This record gives sequence, structure tokens and C-alpha cells, in this order.
Amino acid sequence: EIVMTQSPATLSVSPGERATFSCRASQSVSSNLAWYQQKPGQGPRLLIYGASTRATGIPARFSGSGSGTEFSLTISSLQSEDFAIYYCQHYNTWPLTFGGGTKVEI
Amino acid sequence: EVQLLESGGGLVQPGGSLRLSCAASGFIFNSFVMTWVRQAPGEGLEWVSAISGRGTNTNYADSVKGRFTISRDNSKNTLYLHMKSLRAEDTAVYYCAKFSENEWWRPVDYWGQGTLVTVSS
Repeated sequence: EIVMTQSPATLSVSPGERATFSCRASQSVSSNLAWYQQKPGQGPRLLIYGASTRATGIPARFSGSGSGTEFSLTISSLQSEDFAIYYCQHYNTWPLTFGGGTKVEI
Repeated sequence: EVQLLESGGGLVQPGGSLRLSCAASGFIFNSFVMTWVRQAPGEGLEWVSAISGRGTNTNYADSVKGRFTISRDNSKNTLYLHMKSLRAEDTAVYYCAKFSENEWWRPVDYWGQGTLVTVSS
């Protein structure tokens, strides 16, 4: 199976700052990579798919980049509602696998 | 508005069985691949199983193959997960989710709120 590795595990930032975190795949997943945001007690929400396309209703401060095995998610100016856990996931082959998550905290 | 409402979770003994349900609304149910993803307490996300729009094709994670069965009733807009031979390591919140299209290699675009399954004696 494809192993997805996210870094860092935790990112401490202040509101208004820029945050960037990474996701690495153990083998190429082309651009079949999604990013999700999860808040406590909620199901995940799709942010980015196709490595760089924002999902419906996602603010422009969220951007994704990369292809193959190296990907990143950037939040240009953190808002209070952005403090959450972020997961990457490939959908290139079975089984679908997720990264371990990056927790963005104040 | 897409809505996915899971039910059927609860406490079950090791070796026991349980059936989860997911009532879907707000989209044409039989036109999308549906999936189950689980999350153990305090842990990350683990994909469990997926089923095609007509229910003719399914896939499973190795960790549940032979023990879990995914199915759907398109006349009732409902997705199911039949779980047997449950183990302590199956304890998790189980999320019902939909793919963005009726194709395998697509992102999951909507998730439910989840239902908790606890396997313990």
C-alpha cells in the first residue's frame, strides 16, 4: 500500500500568519491527492482535490501544490476557524490511504 | 444540500456483529460511489470499504476483508456496513462518505458525522 507521511505533526501559529505543511507519498500518486480539514466531533471536510483544485465553497486562502510524491497545503493568513487537523489522502489505487495528520494550533 | 446520517453504532462484545446504516439525501444516490472510513479514538483516518453506484463492485481494506460487507439499497438511498467477528481494534467512529463521481479514482467530497462502534467485553 502507499504510505502517506505528513509533516510536521503539530504546527503552532498565530492568527494572520501563513502556514504550510507537507505530505509525502511512498510512491507516485500523480495528482490524485486530496486535503481534508477536521474539527473536533465533526466529519472531515474536503478542501483540495487534484492536488491543487479548491473544493466548492473553500476560501482562496487555502492552496495546494505538488504532484507525484511531494505535496503541500498552504493557508495564506490563518483565521480562527482554521485551527484544526489537516489530512492528506491519495485516491490513486486501492487501498486509499491517509496521512497521519497535521494539527494546526494557536 | 447533501446529508449523510449514520446510525447503528454501539457497544458490542468481541466476536459479535453489528450493522451500520447511512441514510443519504440531497443527491442522486445511485450515481455515486459510497464509502466507509473509520477513525479510532484519538487516531487518524482509515479507509474501510467502497461500493459502486449500482452496488456491483466493492473493495475492502485488508484489515476488514472477510469480516465486513458493504452494501447499498438504492431504492432507500441507504448504505450499509455489515460487521462480524468484531475485534477490539475495530473500535472507532465510522464515517459514511460519498465520492465526487461514480468512478473509483475520485476524491471523497462529503462526509457524515459518524457513529461510534465500541468493541469491548
